[in-house]
Amino acid sequence: GAVVSQHPSRVICKSGTSVKIECRSLDFQATTMFWYRQFPKQSLMLMATSNEGSKATYEQGVEKDKFLINHASLTLSTLTVTSAHPEDSSFYICSGRRGANTEAFFGQGTRLTVV
Amino acid sequence: QKEVEQNSGPLSVPEGAIASLNCTYSDRGSQSFFWYRQYSGKSPELIMSIYSNGDKEDGRFTAQLNKASQYVSLLIRDSQPSDSATYLCAVNVGLYNTDKLIFGTGTRLQVFP
Repeated sequence: GAVVSQHPSRVICKSGTSVKIECRSLDFQATTMFWYRQFPKQSLMLMATSNEGSKATYEQGVEKDKFLINHASLTLSTLTVTSAHPEDSSFYICSGRRGANTEAFFGQGTRLTVV
Repeated sequence: QKEVEQNSGPLSVPEGAIASLNCTYSDRGSQSFFWYRQYSGKSPELIMSIYSNGDKEDGRFTAQLNKASQYVSLLIRDSQPSDSATYLCAVNVGLYNTDKLIFGTGTRLQVFP
């Protein structure tokens, strides 16, 4: 497999602040990064797809101004949750893949709690 | 209709038995199919990928794909208690280079001693 490193693993922030989550592919070049959100006992919901050097494509219902995604290099993508609110508390997981239709490898996930 | 559908379970099997997990998908153009395992509180880990009709075996795991029926399955032989987890079916949906990876709701597998 391939290794994707995601940081931080846990973060607690105050309502109204912003949080940045980093996702790095350590041993491969990720042309595509996917960002997912998972609520307790639910499946992974795709938030956005980002290809290196391009703007992210957001899924319906996901606010692009609230969830800022940057994929500036083939090994790094970031998700910034702006003006976080308690309802944004969730498990955020990134995954990267080498190319279209290939396997995606997941980071460890970030558990965000907004208080 | 959901893009990827799975029975949520739980599926309970005794240790040593074969566990059979099923998944259907709606996009006829999908070319890539994956099974992931997710333990509680952890992120998914890739078990198998399959791209062609038929069976693909890897150790105790066998993935089966039938594109005509839009059906993909995972068999786990000699199930162990450590296999107890949620198994997620994932399918690539959309056109090449603009495709995205969509997950089913997952099937919770319980293997009892």
